[in-house]
Amino acid sequence: QQQVKQSPQSLIVQKGGISIINCAYENTAFDYFPWYQQFPGKGPALLIAIRPDVSEKKEGRFTISFNKSAKQFSLHIMDSQPGDSATYFCAASKGGGSNYKLTFGKGTLLTVNP
Amino acid sequence: DTAVSQTPKYLVTQMGNDKSIKCEQNLGHDTMYWYKQDSKKFLKIMFSYNNKELIINETVPNRFSPKSPDKAHLNLHINSLELGDSAVYFCASSQVGSGGGRETQYFGPGTRLLVL
Repeated sequence: QQQVKQSPQSLIVQKGGISIINCAYENTAFDYFPWYQQFPGKGPALLIAIRPDVSEKKEGRFTISFNKSAKQFSLHIMDSQPGDSATYFCAASKGGGSNYKLTFGKGTLLTVNP
Repeated sequence: DTAVSQTPKYLVTQMGNDKSIKCEQNLGHDTMYWYKQDSKKFLKIMFSYNNKELIINETVPNRFSPKSPDKAHLNLHINSLELGDSAVYFCASSQVGSGGGRETQYFGPGTRLLVL
C-alpha cells in the first residue's frame, strides 16, 4: 500500500520557469509533510516542511501548498535554476516519539535546462 | 564537519557473502535509521534505533541485522547477500522531541552496494 503518491516521476523545466511537484496521501493521521532534496551521489536533505494547520509555506523560491480536504500537497519552485536539478521527495509522518518515521513518495527527478 | 558518516562508500561483493556497513553521527542525536534506496530511487525505511534500542523493523529479511553499540553508531550486517540487495543504503539520525514530533532527519552520504 503506497501511502504517499508523488507525481510526476520526472520533470523538465527551463531556467526561470516554475516547477510543480504533487503529492497525495491516504492516512488522515499524518500531521507533518516535509520535502527532501537529493543531489546525485548524496543523501536526501530537508528542503521545506509544512504542518496541516496552514495552507501554504514559503521559503525563498520554494513554496508548499497544502489542501487538507483533498489530502494533497505540492511543492512549487519559482524561477527554477539549473542548480535545482535534483530528485525531490515528499514525505509524511504522524505523531512523534521514539517510533517516529517518515513515509516517502517515490521521488521526482527535476531537470532544469539552462 | 561530517554530521552523519557511513563506511564504506562503495561495496562490491559476490552473492552469498556477508558484509557490514557502518554509520556514525556526531550530532548528539538519540535516534538512528537505516533506509534502502532501490534503483528507481524509492526510499524505504528498514530500521530505527532509539538510544540503542530497536524501535522500527519494517519486515526486513532476517539476513539484515542492525546493531547499535551506542547512540552515535548504527551498523548494518547483511548475511548471505542476494542480487536483490543491490541498492544504496542510507543511514540517518534525528533527535526525538526536538521538533515537537516533526523531527528533521539528517542523512549520510549513502553506501552503494552491488551484489554480483
